[in-house]
Amino acid sequence: NAGVMQNPRHLVRRRGQEARLRCSPVKGHSHVYWYRQLPEEGLKFMVYLQKENIIDESGMPKERFSAEFPKEGPSILRIQQVVRGDSAAYFCASSGTPDQPQHFGDGTRLSIL
Amino acid sequence: GNSVTQMEGPVTLSEEAFLTINCTYTATGYPSLFWYVQYPGEGLQLLLKATKADDKGSNKGFEATYRKETTSFHLEKGSVQVSDSAVYFCALSGLTGGGNKLTFGTGTQLKVEL
Repeated sequence: NAGVMQNPRHLVRRRGQEARLRCSPVKGHSHVYWYRQLPEEGLKFMVYLQKENIIDESGMPKERFSAEFPKEGPSILRIQQVVRGDSAAYFCASSGTPDQPQHFGDGTRLSIL
Repeated sequence: GNSVTQMEGPVTLSEEAFLTINCTYTATGYPSLFWYVQYPGEGLQLLLKATKADDKGSNKGFEATYRKETTSFHLEKGSVQVSDSAVYFCALSGLTGGGNKLTFGTGTQLKVEL
């Protein structure tokens, strides 16, 4: 029984590059959430997606950040033209229905040089 | 908007000591309340939850009671172990048209020593 799988676990990028973070939800789960954890802080909601649809992106920065959850394949969080302030741990969570508890992946730790 | 306030850490205890981590919340409607635990280098694991007032969530010796009158959900354990050392997050959620996004507190680091 695979849980939420995120890859890569660690990602290093130089300023101005693109970062792609992948999340495969628990098998059968169609609700995916992305959260960001800055150093010494709690997790902050970024975006909520169902298959092929963005439902709530109220926590996403207005520029450079985008997310998708295609019909086939993992959910992707994309950060274009990364800056030092993007360094953080990014967590994905999934649930089978909106009212079920969310299962979290181990996160991707993004470091910007 | 929704918010969660946790006591600041780190909290350092000796093994077998009693643990309390305070958590209070502000929310519209009737949120569900959660405690998650994060071990170093890992994601969050659901520790316990409560979905309505006066519910008590419990797991692995930890427990918390949903107190609507004091808007609190304090985490307690009668006798901590070294293996309980981790960061603990209090969180709330409320079903809205935008799904069930969680609002987290800033986390409380617990260190248990022999």
